[in-house]
Amino acid sequence: AQSVTQPDIHITVSEGASLELRCNYSYGATPYLFWYVQSPGQGLQLLLKYFSGDTLVQGIKGFEAEFKRSQSSFNLRKPSVHWSDAAEYFCAVGADGNKLVFGAGTILRVKS
Amino acid sequence: GAVVSQHPSWVICKSGTSVKIECRSLDFQATTMFWYRQFPKQSLMLMATSNEGSKATYEQGVEKDKFLINHASLTLSTLTVTSAHPEDSSFYICSPIDGGHNEQFFGPGTRLTVL
Repeated sequence: AQSVTQPDIHITVSEGASLELRCNYSYGATPYLFWYVQSPGQGLQLLLKYFSGDTLVQGIKGFEAEFKRSQSSFNLRKPSVHWSDAAEYFCAVGADGNKLVFGAGTILRVKS
Repeated sequence: GAVVSQHPSWVICKSGTSVKIECRSLDFQATTMFWYRQFPKQSLMLMATSNEGSKATYEQGVEKDKFLINHASLTLSTLTVTSAHPEDSSFYICSPIDGGHNEQFFGPGTRLTVL
């Protein structure tokens, strides 16, 4: 069965610092991988996705993620965090028929 | 981006009552609808999948007679929690698929608290 692990429940970074959110997945076939952001009162917003091809994926808001098959990872990165990036971030793997299996989420706090 | 609305955004009800949650896709037709549930400090868990005009398919462990899903039109799906109990208190999120573009969107969620 598919599963997603986000090892960090909370992460705090200073504004302007770099960010990396970890995601590991378990999936038998070639995975479809996603990163979503959830702000209070808002629906999940897609940051980026990987289906195939270039393993470094660029997303919105300056985020990128790298698919590493050997490590079963799909870590999210941003070179310089802004205060508005504070939110909860979910990694997900696409199972059959658009079904998504989500990780537990990582809450990002940004300190000024 | 596409707009998905959920109503109500939050609801408090007494144990034993039923609650209906509406999910609307405002600018696209949702051929498929997923309903997720998110308990505090946990991830989203898929409850069921429905296609317009057909019966929903429920994930293992989700009671179909308790969580009634209606997907009667391409812009509206409803989830009714029947005879709600405190353990049903959760955050319910709909996720429609834009059939024309094969894109998935998420509603803002409905916070259900059962007393």
